[in-house]
Amino acid sequence: ETGVTQTPRHLVMGMTNKKSLKCEQHLGHNAMYWYKQSAKKPLELMFVYSLEERVENNSVPSRFSPECPNSSHLFLHLHTLQPEDSALYLCASSQDRVGFYYGYTFGSGTRLTVV
Amino acid sequence: SQQGEEDPQALSIQEGENATMNCSYKTSINNLQWYRQNSGRGLVHLILIRSNEREKHSGRLRVTLDTSKKSSSLLITASRAADTASYFCATGEGSQGNLIFGKGTKLSVKP
Repeated sequence: ETGVTQTPRHLVMGMTNKKSLKCEQHLGHNAMYWYKQSAKKPLELMFVYSLEERVENNSVPSRFSPECPNSSHLFLHLHTLQPEDSALYLCASSQDRVGFYYGYTFGSGTRLTVV
Repeated sequence: SQQGEEDPQALSIQEGENATMNCSYKTSINNLQWYRQNSGRGLVHLILIRSNEREKHSGRLRVTLDTSKKSSSLLITASRAADTASYFCATGEGSQGNLIFGKGTKLSVKP
């Protein structure tokens, strides 16, 4: 356990479904992130929340919708996904924006398959 | 945004040998970090080196940073089969920038 918990670990969904990914941290960190990891591609930063405020949205399609209700929880709401959205979705947290002091702490990820 | 580029993309060695991975980046940074990822899992932070540091050690890990060449290396000494994983460098710039990851080096250590 890293201190960042992601659920579910695996998710299979149809293109018309709506589902949510959940991330939880109790490390007292101020920033939380969603990354997408596809095969043979670098990790893609999707969203950044700092002190519960969204500070970055890297041109992510609107079918991905983040939510940060408090500093410990982060959600990624999914709807009408495409097969190319199948990937490992990683949540991370850090004490500061660039992890200057201790780096980022990652969860184990959610393996998403869109059918 | 800038991105670290690891080299080689894949590395296969025997247990007991040393493994060296390199990372190059493009613009000024305030720190560079190395992470490890076991297959299908999250990334684990290994070591962080600040831009004013040249070398750092942590157990069997040794990281160097050459800001003039915009490059870093990660050395794993006396490798073990359990070191088999992908290794990523990540660079952070400024106080408002985000951590940007490279594509990683896939290390295979054979027993």
